[in-house]
Amino acid sequence: DTGVSQNPRHKITKRGQNVTFRCDPISEHNRLYWYRQTLGQGPEFLTYFQNEAQLEKSRLLSDRFSAERPKGSFSTLEIQRTEQGDSAMYLCASSPWGSGDYEQYFGPGTRLTVT
Amino acid sequence: QQPVQSPQAVILREGEDAVINCSSSKALYSVHWYRQKHGEAPVFLMILLKGGEQKGHEKISASFNEKKQQSSLYLTASQLSYSGTYFCGTESAYSGAGSYQLTFGKGTKLSVIP
Repeated sequence: DTGVSQNPRHKITKRGQNVTFRCDPISEHNRLYWYRQTLGQGPEFLTYFQNEAQLEKSRLLSDRFSAERPKGSFSTLEIQRTEQGDSAMYLCASSPWGSGDYEQYFGPGTRLTVT
Repeated sequence: QQPVQSPQAVILREGEDAVINCSSSKALYSVHWYRQKHGEAPVFLMILLKGGEQKGHEKISASFNEKKQQSSLYLTASQLSYSGTYFCGTESAYSGAGSYQLTFGKGTKLSVIP
């Protein structure tokens, strides 16, 4: 069990560019969550998957954000036409929902800086 | 709606106790507590479910008042390693029980000094 991994760890991009982040959950974890965290705030829910199905997406999430989890394994989060307000730490978490283990295991995050 | 945590920050000497509170205006299905150290990912501490079930690490205790939609985290005999920011995450009773779609508070920064 190697834990949740996220790539890249840091991303600097210019406003208007598209970026894509990847999350590899703990193997056999069927739930995968994406959060965004800015300085001094708690993680903010973005979306989550049960296997390959996207079950919920935050109403606060712009149409510029899209996430996928093909085949129910790794997940990608894409932000199109980035804005300076998108600068944040993007966290991914996975959990073995249904097993009695309620813990969400967080990855180290991808820090996005939009210039 | 974001839960409200109090206090915002607390400084303890090693061995002292602390209570961190989390309050929601919505009916809750579960409350989750996480600790995050600077530059690191949040780490799970405890979950409290409607109906009384609790799961978490041995040295952590917490309570959940379902009627008041409030939870408290009790840190006893604090150690230097307890330093970090503590977040409560709440799951609405209307979001679909067991979705664990969490709304986190702004956090309580705990500093333990020798």
